[in-house]
Amino acid sequence: ETGVTQSPTHLIKTRGQQVTLRCSSQSGHNTVSWYQQALGQGPQFIFQYYREEENGRGNFPPRFSGLQFPNYSSELNVNALELDDSALYLCASSFGDPGANVLTFGAGSRLTVL
Amino acid sequence: GESVGLHLPTLSVQEGDNSIINCAYSNSASDYFIWYKQESGKGPQFIIDIRSNMDKRQGQRVTVLLNKTVKHLSLQIAATQPGDSAVYFCAENTGGFKTIFGAGTRLFVKA
Repeated sequence: ETGVTQSPTHLIKTRGQQVTLRCSSQSGHNTVSWYQQALGQGPQFIFQYYREEENGRGNFPPRFSGLQFPNYSSELNVNALELDDSALYLCASSFGDPGANVLTFGAGSRLTVL
Repeated sequence: GESVGLHLPTLSVQEGDNSIINCAYSNSASDYFIWYKQESGKGPQFIIDIRSNMDKRQGQRVTVLLNKTVKHLSLQIAATQPGDSAVYFCAENTGGFKTIFGAGTRLFVKA
């Protein structure tokens, strides 16, 4: 059984650029959630995807968008990057109808915006 | 690996002692609570969970206590080991799509 894998592990962008982060769910999981973790803080919920549709969203602007594919993998896209977008982006998968389920996290993608 | 939790509350314990990590949650409607452990360079990892119809649950060397009256959650780690050194997060869920994480506590285990 493979866990959650994310790519790239590290990347550097400049303000105004766009970035795409990728996530492969754990085998058998059908729901993907994305979190942003700033240094020294807990993960902040961005959004969740279930059955290829956005199932819920946290307090993030529309320039944060995502996709879920038929194989349950997912992408996080961020447009018009700002310095404050520098963070660790975590993908988590879970099984079943979205709700009170245990999240299995990947190791994250560390984004630095200069 | 990268470092997380540079400015987090810190708990330092001697190897072999018991550790208690506390957490206050915010939403009285939350009915599912989870503790996660995050080691340097890794994502959070599930430790133990508890539902609101329980006040205690035990796992291997870990116990979670839930006090709904004061909206307080604690994680007890028995016989703390160096491998337990990490940042610990409590998280709450109201049964919907969103799991909300606390700020975290960094646990240092002294040999």
